[in-house]
This record gives sequence, structure tokens and C-alpha cells, in this order.
Amino acid sequence: KAGVTQTPRYLIKTRGQQVTLSCSPISGHRSVSWYQQTPGQGLQFLFEYFSETQRNKGNFPGRFSGRQFSNSRSEMNVSTLELGDSALYLCASSLKETLGDRGLGQETQYFGPGTRLLVL
Amino acid sequence: QKEVEQNSGPLSVPEGAIASLNCTYSDRGSQSFFWYRQYSGKSPELIMSIYSNGDKEDGRFTAQLNKASQYVSLLIRDSQPSDSATYLCAALNRDDKIIFGKGTRLHILP
Repeated sequence: KAGVTQTPRYLIKTRGQQVTLSCSPISGHRSVSWYQQTPGQGLQFLFEYFSETQRNKGNFPGRFSGRQFSNSRSEMNVSTLELGDSALYLCASSLKETLGDRGLGQETQYFGPGTRLLVL
Repeated sequence: QKEVEQNSGPLSVPEGAIASLNCTYSDRGSQSFFWYRQYSGKSPELIMSIYSNGDKEDGRFTAQLNKASQYVSLLIRDSQPSDSATYLCAALNRDDKIIFGKGTRLHILP
């Protein structure tokens, strides 16, 4: 079974621009989560999508948004890029169907290779 | 923000010895816990998950959970140079968010 895929793998943008990142989950996984990883802050949760709906959200400004399509593929958008948005953006998929699913392994997240974004 | 705390390291362990990685979490409502390994420049890969108090063994890895002390640990037996990586502890909290620690860098000395 293919793993989580993310495109593009690397991006260089300038301040003020916007960027769209894409994620395809493991086949059969309908939950997709996005994370930002920086050396100083570690892995921070951005949001989670299930069945085309955002069902959980981290503490990031509104410049960070996402969506999910009917085939479970997800995109993440960052508008008005800032230097501090330089990071590794990771997508993860899981079998978690409903909030509260836990303890049977379905909440386990599997990560894609990430998109490394550099904002100049 | 509910926290997951780890010592950043680096933790240096001789090859063949036992590496012990520790993690504490603040949300008592957390019920599912995970250990991920992340090599430099790569994405995290799952090593173990644990849901119940006690030990869970998988090959050279043993995860330990103590909910009363809000403490999770990972033991790596017969440490190999290929185990050198950053180990991330994570907890699924009561808000249904997976919160990650900042990771412990482990260095296995040949």
C-alpha cells in the first residue's frame, strides 16, 4: 500500500506571496492532519480534515487554511507569507473516523515526506 | 495549550547498551501515546503506540506508560548506530489533538 504523498517537496517563496501544498493520504484513510515543524517550536498541529470538513484546528492565524476533496486528498494554503512561515510542513493520515476514536490504533498518524518551505 | 515535555538531549549511549527516553504530559485526559523516530531531514515514522498502563514490547523497543504519574518512556535495547535520531513523544489529548514533544536527540556511540 502506498504511503502518504506530498507535493511539492521543496518551495522557495518571497514575503507576501501565497503557497498551496498538496497531500494524498494512504488509501482508505479519510482523516488528514497538517503540522508545521520548526527547530524552535517542534511539531505543531495546524488542522485536521475528515470527509471534506475541518473538524479540528490548532492555534494558527487565519492566513493558514486548508480543504479536503471527496477523494480525501487535502490542500493547505498559506497567504501573505512571512519569514517565520519557513518550516517543514507535514501531512499525516489516519483511519480515525470520528472524534473520540482511540485505543484501537485507528488514531495512529502516518506522515508524508513533508514540504520544505523557505520564505525569503 | 496542553504540553508534552521531553529532554532535548543529546543523549549519548554506547552501542549495545540500553537507551532510555522519557516524556511527561500535562493533560490527564490523554489516553493514547505514541513514539516516533525522525532522522535528520526526514519525516517522523511511528515506532510504537501505547494505550494502557504498563509495558508494551516490540522487538528491541519497549514503551512504558504510567498514567498516574503522567509519564511515558521508550527503552531501546542493544542500541545500534542506526538508532541515532530524534525521538518524538506524542499524546492524543482530550481535545482530540495529537500534541508532540520537541523531541530528544539520541546519539549511539560506536
